[in-house]
Amino acid sequence: EAGVTQSPRYAVLQEGQAVSFWCDPISGHDTLYWYQQPRDQGPQLLVYFRDEAVIDNSQLPSDRFSAVRPKGTNSTLKIQSAKQGDTATYLCASSFGGRGNERLFFGHGTKLSVL
Amino acid sequence: GQQVQQSPASLVLQEGENAELQCNFSSTATRLQWFYQHPGGRLVSLFYNPSGTKHTGRLTSTTVTNERRSSLHISSSQTTDSGTYFCAIDPHDTNAYKVIFGKGTHLHVLP
Repeated sequence: EAGVTQSPRYAVLQEGQAVSFWCDPISGHDTLYWYQQPRDQGPQLLVYFRDEAVIDNSQLPSDRFSAVRPKGTNSTLKIQSAKQGDTATYLCASSFGGRGNERLFFGHGTKLSVL
Repeated sequence: GQQVQQSPASLVLQEGENAELQCNFSSTATRLQWFYQHPGGRLVSLFYNPSGTKHTGRLTSTTVTNERRSSLHISSSQTTDSGTYFCAIDPHDTNAYKVIFGKGTHLHVLP
């Protein structure tokens, strides 16, 4: 079974540039999460979906970040105008949201450096 | 306040020693998981353990829900156990599984 796939693995930007991250979850997983993990810190939830619906995006900086999952499978996270403070690893995870089977599976992440 | 707190923040052991990592969570939190992350590596789920005790290899997780705490015990530590261990919870037992992480315990096992 394929795991969670993310691309690109690395991105280096100048401040003000835009970038998109892509995630392909495990087949059949209805819940998809995007986390931001600054260096030497724990993952911080940005947004998560059940199928194509956003369940919670309260921690997503809405002026510059956006996330979509139009068909309830793959997802894209976009930063419109990157800042140095966005430097972090962006993690995607998926799970089957039904109770009793909630283990999360993570991708390798995209390591973003904003200069 | 912080919904999930982990202690210690960091731990250094000699190979062969045991480790006890702690996680305390808010009263409404549930569906606890423990994760491991090797430096620069992928996060891997070790246990989904909302209550009771679970074992795998040298790892044991014990969650006491009514005391709002969970522990991860590593016996006979090895250098390959080095990395960061995270506790994660659903803060409000939501229907859609919201997963919030603690800040982690950084473990370094010396040869």
